[in-house]
Amino acid sequence: QVQLQQWGAGLLKPSETLSLTCAVYGGSFSDYYWSWIRQSPTKGLEWIGEIDQTGGTNYNPSLKSRVTISSDTSKAQFSLRLTSVTAADTAVYYCARITYFGEDKGNCFDPWGPGILVTVSS
Amino acid sequence: DIQMTQSPSSLSASVGDRVTISCRASQRINTYLNWYQQKSGKAPKLLIYAASSLQSGVPSRFSGSGSGTDFTLTISNLQPEDFATYYCQQSYSMFLTFGGGTKVEIK
Repeated sequence: QVQLQQWGAGLLKPSETLSLTCAVYGGSFSDYYWSWIRQSPTKGLEWIGEIDQTGGTNYNPSLKSRVTISSDTSKAQFSLRLTSVTAADTAVYYCARITYFGEDKGNCFDPWGPGILVTVSS
Repeated sequence: DIQMTQSPSSLSASVGDRVTISCRASQRINTYLNWYQQKSGKAPKLLIYAASSLQSGVPSRFSGSGSGTDFTLTISNLQPEDFATYYCQQSYSMFLTFGGGTKVEIK
């Protein structure tokens, strides 16, 4: 049973860089796409971006200029960097596996990591 | 981007009730629609994928239907552990989006 574990700084000041890492245990890393999602009371659940098996990435257009997702296949880990954070970036950040069910069924997020609350405050 | 609109935003129900939650997409998404359950302080959990396929391990009282722009999640015989917030999510577009959520509360 695959499990995801997350870590990173939970308190940032405005203009700093958010940095989170997600480790994958108990399953294949290189066979899947991996994603970051955040949740806040104001914006709800918001997809941040994803990384594929080759290191290719796809980002939410609203965050694209500030986001970088990278991976380390040897460690079965992937990471999120979000630069120039503001209070609007305060949210619970989740990592998740993208499970693909086929061309006629699409994909979904399953499973999810436990989430980390990141607060941006001066 | 594709907007996902859920209704109602909250509802009160009793154990044993049948509950229906709606999700509407701003454009046609075939059946590329997933449903998640989120309990307080926890990560969302996949219930239904591709509009009507039950994820392994999910009780059969959960069911999904719909295609195009209109989708429904039904919980038959509501159980105490089902009180939670439910979200829909589309995977038609590369820009993945979620609905605003429906909170199911105890009456």
